[in-house]
Amino acid sequence: DGGITQSPKYLFRKEGQNVTLSCEQNLNHDAMYWYRQDPGQGLRLIYYSQIVNDFQKGDIAEGYSVSREKKESFPLTVTSAQKNPTAFYLCASRIGGRGLDEQYFGPGTRLTVT
Amino acid sequence: QQPVQSPQAVILREGEDAVINCSSSKALYSVHWYRQKHGEAPVFLMILLKGGEQKGHDKISASFNEKKQQSSLYLTASQLSYSGTYFCGTVLNAGGTSYGKLTFGQGTILTVHP
Repeated sequence: DGGITQSPKYLFRKEGQNVTLSCEQNLNHDAMYWYRQDPGQGLRLIYYSQIVNDFQKGDIAEGYSVSREKKESFPLTVTSAQKNPTAFYLCASRIGGRGLDEQYFGPGTRLTVT
Repeated sequence: QQPVQSPQAVILREGEDAVINCSSSKALYSVHWYRQKHGEAPVFLMILLKGGEQKGHDKISASFNEKKQQSSLYLTASQLSYSGTYFCGTVLNAGGTSYGKLTFGQGTILTVHP
């Protein structure tokens, strides 16, 4: 079955540590996205990538970094510079960047930093 | 650039109708609608493009007023399964760095009671 996988589902880290969230898709989609979800604040865009080896900052990129070395993979690193990293993180992908292409979401990773 | 949704919450009885609105201060290329159940990934409902094209589920309808940069999602004869948080996402009508950037509103919580 095609889809998006995120691992792990739950992640716990100590403050000051960097942590990398995995996102893999086998849908052959060009575009991939990372969102952060906090209660009552909807989905906020962190980074997105239209093609391999290229990515753009979203609305809340500070304290995060990404890479897009392969079409199917778009890992997100939450750095120690992110002041409030505890949140639900969702990865998504689309065939292209525009048009009638819906976005598919992964199951999410819930990160807790203490 | 985040679109604004209204209302923030809606409570219905089964069989009743509801309208959820989404507005943007910028010119839009497309509007997306998703529904999210608690703790799960958002699921695609509709896409509406500037110019009139749209794609979505048979039981869901929506409109896109290009002059006002507003979209409305119409939920008719609601069922218990309609409960969840509804998000609109927008892609701006601009090239360059806005290409493909899908930004979501804060969400509308819909609760359907028996």
